[in-house]
Amino acid sequence: DVKVTQSSRYLVKRTGEKVFLECVQDMDHENMFWYRQDPGLGLRLIYFSYDVKMKEKGDIPEGYSVSREKKERFSLILESASTNQTSMYLCASSLPGQGSYEQYFGPGTRLTVT
Amino acid sequence: DQQVKQNSPSLSVQEGRISILNCDYTNSMFDYFLWYKKYPAEGPTFLISISSIKDKNEDGRFTVFLNKSAKHLSLHIVPSQPGDSAVYFCAASGKTSYDKVIFGPGTSLSVIP
Repeated sequence: DVKVTQSSRYLVKRTGEKVFLECVQDMDHENMFWYRQDPGLGLRLIYFSYDVKMKEKGDIPEGYSVSREKKERFSLILESASTNQTSMYLCASSLPGQGSYEQYFGPGTRLTVT
Repeated sequence: DQQVKQNSPSLSVQEGRISILNCDYTNSMFDYFLWYKKYPAEGPTFLISISSIKDKNEDGRFTVFLNKSAKHLSLHIVPSQPGDSAVYFCAASGKTSYDKVIFGPGTSLSVIP
């Protein structure tokens, strides 16, 4: 069973704080993703990574950065949290290769920035 | 501009009846389509997919239909059960797994006992 875990289920931070969201997967997946989910907007891709040390911008990378030092771990960093970054953050992983589009998601982190 | 659209934010269906969730897309280069299901406080889970070379894929109570000329797909759930109550996301991707997966805004399905 693929398992994707996220470090926190709920997080409350103040404006301007640096925020770290951690994601770990245990199935040796090459691909890892960070999304945010907002009502009426679905899941929007922030960053993704196809390998260790590699990262690619998604559709909404502004205000975020990522780190992938180990294959199983993908971190999302909010350099200076703002209230418009209040959202549900979802991490996912998948195998590479054509046809392997199924992504396995973690339970999500509900981040509130006050 | 959303490339994957789910125009019904919510849908209510009686238990035992058919649920039909619709999805439209604008990018003709999409090659692979997926449906994910999400319960509150959980991450989405993969439900069913279809390649653009097919027009139907069935898995138990779930069937996805693809109409490429209309750029439309639908998910049928028959018979609907209360445990199917969740948010359903339609998603699409290009020809390689390095193409991004684009998700729709979701449809919240309520199955009434």
